[in-house]
Amino acid sequence: QKEVEQNSGPLSVPEGAIASLNCTYSDRGSQSFFWYRQYSGKSPELIMSIYSNGDKEDGRFTAQLNKASQYVSLLIRDSQPSDSATYLCAVRAGGTSYGKLTFGQGTILTVHP
Amino acid sequence: DVKVTQSSRYLVKRTGEKVFLECVQDMDHENMFWYRQDPGLGLRLIYFSYDVKMKEKGDIPEGYSVSREKKERFSLILESASTNQTSMYLCASTESGRYTYEQYFGPGTRLTVT
Repeated sequence: QKEVEQNSGPLSVPEGAIASLNCTYSDRGSQSFFWYRQYSGKSPELIMSIYSNGDKEDGRFTAQLNKASQYVSLLIRDSQPSDSATYLCAVRAGGTSYGKLTFGQGTILTVHP
Repeated sequence: DVKVTQSSRYLVKRTGEKVFLECVQDMDHENMFWYRQDPGLGLRLIYFSYDVKMKEKGDIPEGYSVSREKKERFSLILESASTNQTSMYLCASTESGRYTYEQYFGPGTRLTVT
């Protein structure tokens, strides 16, 4: 069973702090990794994708991938109340055709003023 | 920008009714997906399609069928709706043949079966 696990939440951080969201996956052959943000009652929105080891930065967001440790993370710098949402980690396993993704259960993030 | 639309945001149906949920994408994507999302259970794949008239079962296909007659449109059918199919239904699409496989979601349909 290919699994994606995220750190249990909810996670609460003060405004301006760094929020750290973590995800591990079981299939060593996984090739593509994604972070989605989902506001309550809305659909998931793609915010970051990463395909090779290392860091990828986009504005206040940094995705980090370590394939040897089967670990992917999302850092949100200068967290804002508007970042309060559920964050979903998704993984495309190696050999998976047609772009099928496996999603984690999500981590609820609350940024308090 | 990729645009995925779903036919209804909210839908209320009675037990035993046949329900059609429609999804349309405007980016000429080959692959389309139907998920349901329930509290505590996360996103679960019902069916996906990789080409017109081609489909594969996902993790929870029981009680559902799908139709893809045109590349841009993917329909989810509940043959005889039951109360345990009350859920948020999400459609997504992605391009094929690329390494990235970024999936883009529609706004979702919240279905209530009474």
